Amino acid sequence: EDQVTQSPEALRLQEGESSSLNCSYTVSGLRGLFWYRQDPGKGPEFLFTLYSAGEEKEKERLKATLTKKESFLHITAPKPEDSATYLCAVRVLYNTDKLIFGTGTRLQVFP
Amino acid sequence: GAVVSQHPSRVICKSGTSVKIECRSLDFQATTMFWYRQFPKQSLMLMATSNEGSKATYEQGVEKDKFLINHASLTLSTLTVTSAHPEDSSFYICSADNRGRTTDTQYFGPGTRLTVL
Repeated sequence: EDQVTQSPEALRLQEGESSSLNCSYTVSGLRGLFWYRQDPGKGPEFLFTLYSAGEEKEKERLKATLTKKESFLHITAPKPEDSATYLCAVRVLYNTDKLIFGTGTRLQVFP
Repeated sequence: GAVVSQHPSRVICKSGTSVKIECRSLDFQATTMFWYRQFPKQSLMLMATSNEGSKATYEQGVEKDKFLINHASLTLSTLTVTSAHPEDSSFYICSADNRGRTTDTQYFGPGTRLTVL
């Protein structure tokens, strides 16, 4: 069964304290892995798509990496405005429509 | 680019009434749109997949007669919650697939908060 697991469930950081969020996946064939950011009461906002192991993408303080088993979302010197829930999702080869979501990591960054 | 809108953003209705939620892809054509439901502090739960011009595919446990989905054009899908009851109160989010030569990403709308009294 295709599965996506995110850890930790919640993360509290001091402003400027870099850290990483993990997304582990077990799928029969990966078409793409997606990272989204969701603020309370809003829809998910697209951050990155990764397609193959070794791929990396960056946007401001965020950097996403991908291996054959997991993806990391690295947050460098976070600011309070980075506080949100970060969602990881995968699209599999044999069912290219659906996204399979993890349960998310709730990030709080304190000044 | 790749903007998805939803309307209304918030709706309050009486039990037994029907509510329609619209989802539009504003700057791209989406052959496939999706409807999700999200409960507080939980992840998104896929309700149905909607393809333009054909019947929606519902996930197991989702009542298709209660949640009517129409995908009449490449930029518009609607979700109608029929005979709504308090247990249907939730946050409903749509998404649209933007697929092309250089993109393969699902973009989400801002969500609709439904409260059934």
